[in-house]
Amino acid sequence: ETGVTQTPRHLVMGMTNKKSLKCEQHLGHNAMYWYKQSAKKPLELMFVYNFKEQTENNSVPSRFSPECPNSSHLFLHLHTLQPEDSALYLCASSQGVNRLTYGYTFGSGTRLTVV
Amino acid sequence: AQSVTQLGSHVSVSEGALVLLRCNYSSSVPPYLFWYVQYPNQGLQLLLKYTSAATLVKGINGFEAEFKKSETSFHLTKPSAHMSDAAEYFCAVITASGGSYIPTFGRGTSLIVHP
Repeated sequence: ETGVTQTPRHLVMGMTNKKSLKCEQHLGHNAMYWYKQSAKKPLELMFVYNFKEQTENNSVPSRFSPECPNSSHLFLHLHTLQPEDSALYLCASSQGVNRLTYGYTFGSGTRLTVV
Repeated sequence: AQSVTQLGSHVSVSEGALVLLRCNYSSSVPPYLFWYVQYPNQGLQLLLKYTSAATLVKGINGFEAEFKKSETSFHLTKPSAHMSDAAEYFCAVITASGGSYIPTFGRGTSLIVHP
């Protein structure tokens, strides 16, 4: 375990389904992030939360809805997704958005397939 | 604006041979530079980082990287490849400028190790 736990590891969902991805860290970090990793594309930053407050939304479609109830938990709610949304979704945490010299700690990701 | 270029989407070496993965960055201010490794079905793991101290940085698993400002490079090396080094490697740059501390990742280089 890396210190950041993501569930589920794999998810298959239809385009009309609603599902949620969960991320949890107990590293004492204050910032959490969602990234999308698609084949043959660079890592795409989706959302940034710092002390539970969203500080970055990288023009993500509204069918992706993040939630950060506290500094240890981060969710990504999914609804009416498209097949091109199939990807590996990675959660990461860091000590703070202004303390990135320590680097990120990543979870193992959720492999999402939209059918 | 900051950017990262990883030359070569795939690098193939024989077991025991030198590993060299190239990373060039673009930044108008002094950067922080990172290498991450991603094993199959896993998230990214921090290998090493440069944060303006020593220009030769040693990381985990025998990897090291040298920051060369004149060449705007931060290449990753390992003297002798192991089969277990086969993975995807990502270079990332952070510049603390204009309040933005979000890293920019390269597209990744897949390291293939032949017996």
